[in-house]
Amino acid sequence: DSGVTQTPKHLITATGQRVTLRCSPRSGDLSVYWYQQSLDQGLQFLIQYYNGEERAKGNILERFSAQQFPDLHSELNLSSLELGDSALYFCASSTGTGGDQYFGPGTRLTVT
Amino acid sequence: GQQLNQSPQSMFIQEGEDVSMNCTSSSIFNTWLWYKQDPGEGPVLLIALYKAGELTSNGRLTAQFGITRKDSFLNISASIPSDVGIYFCAGQSRRAGGTSYGKLTFGQGTILTVHP
Repeated sequence: DSGVTQTPKHLITATGQRVTLRCSPRSGDLSVYWYQQSLDQGLQFLIQYYNGEERAKGNILERFSAQQFPDLHSELNLSSLELGDSALYFCASSTGTGGDQYFGPGTRLTVT
Repeated sequence: GQQLNQSPQSMFIQEGEDVSMNCTSSSIFNTWLWYKQDPGEGPVLLIALYKAGELTSNGRLTAQFGITRKDSFLNISASIPSDVGIYFCAGQSRRAGGTSYGKLTFGQGTILTVHP
């Protein structure tokens, strides 16, 4: 158990819908990262928050957004969902702005 | 952008054999990390490397940070059935001011199958 929690474990929704994925980092970690894992693209970095502020952005679509709250948990919002958004979404956390990252169990999103 | 080439793509070995896999990059990384992922679960951190030339062990696992900072390898000795899974390398670079970029760039993964 990495100490990073993610909910829900599975999510099935229709195209055009909006979903919210939630992540709680390990106790004491200030950074939260979001990654997408698909068969064709592998593990891709989406976005990082550090202590409530956006720190780095990767290949994140404009339809996707995230935030980190004062209690350090983070939410990833995916809107206007398309079939191609079906993937595993992982949250990771680290103590500082970089360094070792510990991954949560992931949320499997299926868009039908 | 940065890309990591991980090889081999897959390996089929007998229990007790040693395994070696590696990652190469077109650009420099300041940290190399190795993860293992079981089906339907999140990647688990195995070993982290912070300095060029560093050799680090974690039980039967040994990893090295290449001198050029553009490559790393992972060895697993005396493999056992529970070593089955997908192994990923990941690189992290550093900003001009010295702090790390948080973003990890991942290799494509090595699928390891161990036959009892």
